[in-house]
Amino acid sequence: DVKVTQSSRYLVKRTGEKVFLECVQDMDHENMFWYRQDPGLGLRLIYFSYDVKMKEKGDIPEGYSVSREKKERFSLILESASTNQTSMYLCASSQYEQYFGPGTRLTVT
Amino acid sequence: DQQVKQNSPSLSVQEGRISILNCDYTNSMFDYFLWYKKYPAEGPTFLISISSIKDKNEDGRFTVFLNKSAKHLSLHIVPSQPGDSAVYFCAAGLQAGTALIFGKGTTLSVSS
Repeated sequence: DVKVTQSSRYLVKRTGEKVFLECVQDMDHENMFWYRQDPGLGLRLIYFSYDVKMKEKGDIPEGYSVSREKKERFSLILESASTNQTSMYLCASSQYEQYFGPGTRLTVT
Repeated sequence: DQQVKQNSPSLSVQEGRISILNCDYTNSMFDYFLWYKKYPAEGPTFLISISSIKDKNEDGRFTVFLNKSAKHLSLHIVPSQPGDSAVYFCAAGLQAGTALIFGKGTTLSVSS
């Protein structure tokens, strides 16, 4: 059974803070993804990676960066958190279909 | 411009009846299509997928139909159950395993 875990379910940060969201998968998948979900907007792709140390920008990469030093781990970094980054963040990994983690509800105040 | 569209924000169905969720796409390069189900405060759960070489795929109560010429796919749930009440997302990608474009979702409510 595929397992994707995310470091926190709920997180509250202040404007300007640097925020790290961690994602780990246990299925040896090559591909990993970060999305955010907002009401009425569906899931939007932030960044993705098809291999270790590889990263590609998705549809909304502004204000974010990522790190993939190991195959099983994909981190999303908010360099300087802003209130418009308050959202549900979802990590996924795939060989064929994508499997998602439980999500991190981030609130930036 | 939205590449994957779910034009119905919500759908209400009675228990035991068929639920039909629809999805349209614009990019003819999409080759792999999926449906996900999502409960509040949880990650999306994969339901069923279909590649462009097929026009139908079944898994238990769930069937996905693909009409490539119309750039349209649909998810049929038969029979619908109250536990099916959730948000359903349609997604499309260039091939299996790669980045996906999601629709905005349809909220399905199944009443008993």
